[in-house]
Amino acid sequence: DAGVIQSPRHEVTEMGQEVTLRCKPISGHDYLFWYRQTMMRGLELLIYFNNNVPIDDSGMPEDRFSAKMPNASFSNLKIQPSEPRDSAVYFCASSPSGSGANVLTFGAGSRLTVL
Amino acid sequence: AQSVAQPEDQVNVAEGNPLTVKCTYSVSGNPYLFWYVQYPNRGLQFLLKYITGDNLVKGSYGFEAEFNKSQTSFHLKKPSALVSDSALYFCAVRDYYGGATNKLIFGTGTLLAVQP
Repeated sequence: DAGVIQSPRHEVTEMGQEVTLRCKPISGHDYLFWYRQTMMRGLELLIYFNNNVPIDDSGMPEDRFSAKMPNASFSNLKIQPSEPRDSAVYFCASSPSGSGANVLTFGAGSRLTVL
Repeated sequence: AQSVAQPEDQVNVAEGNPLTVKCTYSVSGNPYLFWYVQYPNRGLQFLLKYITGDNLVKGSYGFEAEFNKSQTSFHLKKPSALVSDSALYFCAVRDYYGGATNKLIFGTGTLLAVQP
């Protein structure tokens, strides 16, 4: 298995532009998570899905952020409009259910810079 | 609310010496505790977990962690450090509100620097 695949790895955009980050989880994993990592705030959970259904989006900063999981093999995180304070590394992770629950496999991350 | 604390931002150790990275937790109910490691420009990787049973948990790359209920701690240890162990280490606890969830709460991370 190729692991959790994220794209793009790096994104530089200007304030006000729409940003779309993509994630392909590990096949067979029931859970998908979006985290954001910054020096100031550390690792924050934004949202997570179970069987493609959003379970907890309490970490989504504001209405500018949205995430979807249209099927078991794809999720995206959108920021519209983007702001400089959104600059961070965004990680997608997936995990199975049952005894493997909470053992997350992370992608390599998408580093977003908003100018 | 569940939480973990990593009191040290950085730990320095010489290669070959034992290392300890500290973590304390605060939970309601039984704690599900985890350690993850992050190498530069990479995502986090799972090292080990404590759910129940033996207080000494063994994980990947020769790491182990000791669960101590009386001290509410879950310190990560390794008998002999390698330069390649240099990375950012995160302690985590499973969140719990009205029932168990699949959500992890991560600590702030401890940077481990192993000098040759």
